[in-house]
Amino acid sequence: NAGVMQNPRHLVRRRGQEARLRCSPMKGHSHVYWYRQLPEEGLKFMVYLQKENIIDESGMPKERFSAEFPKEGPSILRIQQVVRGDSAAYFCASSRTGADNEQFFGPGTRLTVL
Amino acid sequence: GENVEQHPSTLSVQEGDSAVIKCTYSDSASNYFPWYKQELGKRPQLIIDIRSNVGEKKDQRIAVTLNKTAKHFSLHITETQPEDSAVYFCAASLGGGAGNQFYFGTGTSLTVIP
Repeated sequence: NAGVMQNPRHLVRRRGQEARLRCSPMKGHSHVYWYRQLPEEGLKFMVYLQKENIIDESGMPKERFSAEFPKEGPSILRIQQVVRGDSAAYFCASSRTGADNEQFFGPGTRLTVL
Repeated sequence: GENVEQHPSTLSVQEGDSAVIKCTYSDSASNYFPWYKQELGKRPQLIIDIRSNVGEKKDQRIAVTLNKTAKHFSLHITETQPEDSAVYFCAASLGGGAGNQFYFGTGTSLTVIP
């Protein structure tokens, strides 16, 4: 009974490069949430997706950030032209449905921008 | 949008004593309030949650209380043990549909002194 999977666990990028973070939800879960955790801070909501649909992206920066959750495959959080301020832990969580409150978190991807 | 405040930011207690962490929220429509425990470098783990139709919930040494009128909720840990040392986050959610994402407090770093 695999939980939420994220890869890579650690990602190092130089300024200006692209970062792609992947999240595979728990089996049977069709809703995915991305959160960002800056060092020594709490988790900030970024985007909420259902298969092939963005439900709410109000927490995601308008530029350089995008997210998708295709019909097949993992959810992808994409950060273009990364800057040092993007260095953070990015967690995804999944829930079975949109009405199902409980969210299960993945282990996170720690992005370091040099 | 929802704003969640959490106090204190750090808390030290002697082993065996109780610990209390308090959160307030701004949106009266929020109806689901989970608490997560995060150990260093690990994923957040749900420890207890409460829905708005309930005033109190208990699970062994952990309890959560909710005051909807005052829009605040609290986590109570009794008979603390060194393994309770971690960062604890409260969260609030509108629940269901487009509101299922979590808004987190800034975290409380709990240290239990043996």
